[in-house]
Amino acid sequence: GAVVSQHPSRVICKSGTSVKIECRSLDFQATTMFWYRQFPKQSLMLMATSNEGSKATYEQGVEKDKFLINHASLTLSTLTVTSAHPEDSSFYICSAGTYYNEQFFGPGTRLTVL
Amino acid sequence: AQKVTQAQTEISVVEKEDVTLDCVYETRDTTYYLFWYKQPPSGELVFLIRRNSFDEQNEISGRYSWNFQKSTSSFNFTITASQVVDSAVYFCALSRGGQGAQKLVFGQGTRLTINP
Repeated sequence: GAVVSQHPSRVICKSGTSVKIECRSLDFQATTMFWYRQFPKQSLMLMATSNEGSKATYEQGVEKDKFLINHASLTLSTLTVTSAHPEDSSFYICSAGTYYNEQFFGPGTRLTVL
Repeated sequence: AQKVTQAQTEISVVEKEDVTLDCVYETRDTTYYLFWYKQPPSGELVFLIRRNSFDEQNEISGRYSWNFQKSTSSFNFTITASQVVDSAVYFCALSRGGQGAQKLVFGQGTRLTINP
């Protein structure tokens, strides 16, 4: 089956630092990748949609200069949280989508900003 | 705009009881997909089912079954003879249809606790 990996699975950083999260589709090519954020005991909220080689489309209220998304290839997308602050602490989940509207989720990255 | 409502925030039952998780959706699209995901404490989303808007047949997979009714815009999920391992948060989600990957709109989730 289709597998999506995320790295790192858990990261703790100091306030003001930047953190990069990688999302890879291991055995298929993803036409589109999505980044979701989930705060404790809440639902998943879409942050942005990215297509390979194009600029990401951000959802309303998501700061594009703070959450940098790069989708350099059909198997890799990265999310960089710049100048992270404690309120950015959350569970970040990516999903890789195919042309047939199948979506495969990564295992998630738990970010804690001290 | 699309919207998914899971009115049950938390459900707690005793093992072996049947339990139904409700999901009501709103969309103006004629073609769309509905999903159910399970999220155990580890956080990883586990895909359970995807149903397109043209297929209203009920689905059964082992102890799991799904009832899709377009007339009431509902896509309910029933677990028969529940087990402790079924304890998790369950999300219903909706996406547009058509070609290409589409973003998912999630409901608020239902936290299901199965007590021994």
